[in-house]
Amino acid sequence: DTGVSQDPRHKITKRGQNVTFRCDPISEHNRLYWYRQTLGQGPEFLTYFQNEAQLEKSRLLSDRFSAERPKGSFSTLEIQRTEQGDSAMYLCASSLPGTGPYYGYTFGSGTRLTVV
Amino acid sequence: LAKTTQPISMDSYEGQEVNITCSHNNIATNDYITWYQQFPSQGPRFIIQGYKTKVTNEVASLFIPADRKSSTLSLPRVSLSDTAVYYCLVVGSGGYQKVTFGTGTKLQVIP
Repeated sequence: DTGVSQDPRHKITKRGQNVTFRCDPISEHNRLYWYRQTLGQGPEFLTYFQNEAQLEKSRLLSDRFSAERPKGSFSTLEIQRTEQGDSAMYLCASSLPGTGPYYGYTFGSGTRLTVV
Repeated sequence: LAKTTQPISMDSYEGQEVNITCSHNNIATNDYITWYQQFPSQGPRFIIQGYKTKVTNEVASLFIPADRKSSTLSLPRVSLSDTAVYYCLVVGSGGYQKVTFGTGTKLQVIP
C-alpha cells in the first residue's frame, strides 16, 4: 500500500473554469475526508465519506463544490466556475472508523490549485 | 467541540528538547488528544495520541496532566528536519469526522 494518493499535485486554471481532483485512499480505510488549506492556516474540513455515503459537509462547501465517492473507493472533488478565492491546497485523508491511536488520519500530499 | 490553543511559533537549537504546550480547557470525558506534524507542501502526519498521563513512541512523548485541560508534546533532541508545523487536535467520541485544525505551532530548528 502506497498511502493516500492525490492527482494532480498542481493545477493552474483560469477563473471560471471547472476543475476536478482525484483521491485514492488506503484500500482498507472506509472513511475519506477532504480538507482545504490556505497559506499560514491549518487545514479546514470540507466533507467526509463513510464508504460511498457523504455523511457531512462543511458550510465552506458552497454549491460550486461537489464531492463523490461512487464505489466507496476513490473520490473526486469538483469545483465549478472557479474563483481566485478557491486557490488553496486541497488535502485528502482516509482513516478507519474510531477514535483511538490506530484510527488517525493518513493524509495525501495534496493538490495545489492556483486560479489566475 | 473542544477548542485548542497553541503558541504560534517556537525556535530551538539543534540537539535541544522542545516542548510544545496546547490548552484545551473544555475537553470532554471521552476525548483523545492527538498531535500531527506538517512539512511544507505535504499533508499532516500523525505523531502521537493520548488520553491521560504519559505516552511515548519512537518520535515523541505526550504528557497529559490529571485535569486533561492541557497537554505537552515533547520532541527529544530536535534536528533541522523537525522544522515543521505541529497541530494539537482533540478527537471526540464521534471520531475524526469532526476534527478541527487550528493554526498550529511553527517550530523552527536552528543549527
